[in-house]
Amino acid sequence: GAVVSQHPSWVICKSGTSVKIECRSLDFQATTMFWYRQFPKQSLMLMATSNEGSKATYEQGVEKDKFLINHASLTLSTLTVTSAHPEDSSFYICSARTAPWYNEQFFGPGTRLTVL
Amino acid sequence: ELKVEQNPLFLSMQEGKNYTIYCNYSTTSDRLYWYRQDPGKSLESLFVLLSNGAVKQEGRLMASLDTKARLSTLHITAAVHDLSATYFCAARNSYSGAGSYQLTFGKGTKLSVIP
Repeated sequence: GAVVSQHPSWVICKSGTSVKIECRSLDFQATTMFWYRQFPKQSLMLMATSNEGSKATYEQGVEKDKFLINHASLTLSTLTVTSAHPEDSSFYICSARTAPWYNEQFFGPGTRLTVL
Repeated sequence: ELKVEQNPLFLSMQEGKNYTIYCNYSTTSDRLYWYRQDPGKSLESLFVLLSNGAVKQEGRLMASLDTKARLSTLHITAAVHDLSATYFCAARNSYSGAGSYQLTFGKGTKLSVIP
């Protein structure tokens, strides 16, 4: 149980295009999903927190208009990188949890984005 | 603001040896987590520590938590090559409201176990 999937697992795109990454909780309802970014050999940095049916809360320094997050259902959140540039190339990982007090966040397998 | 510091950041050890990774956090946290990450992969949950004095063990790994010292340790016993990976600790903030129950990660410890 508690499986989180991400799609695609990797994507290569040209500079200036937009890329959508999906995060799904397969066997549980996720009231909250988190989006992280990880640069090579670095730690995970929280980008935003999304709660189903409401606007995402972005961390300081993360551009809301560039990283669009939608959490339209209890099993799906999407991250759209708009007008991607090479500096957006990174490993994007989502996680999901059920209730706020629940101990665990369940992590997806990650999406490797390369912007040429 | 919750901050998490791990040390060492790099650890090269011989098979069969023991070592400890340390994780300090700056303010009150109600949960402490340890994860493993293999190259190109996402995080694998190892331990969740819930209270002061908590100790959990799985195979050659043992994690402990001292909430008074704001310190968690991950002890590796008789290391084997398969344990080579990057290990992250993360602390969960405990306040309510916006940003509640978020995880703050340490920088990670890259462990290399040498035959």
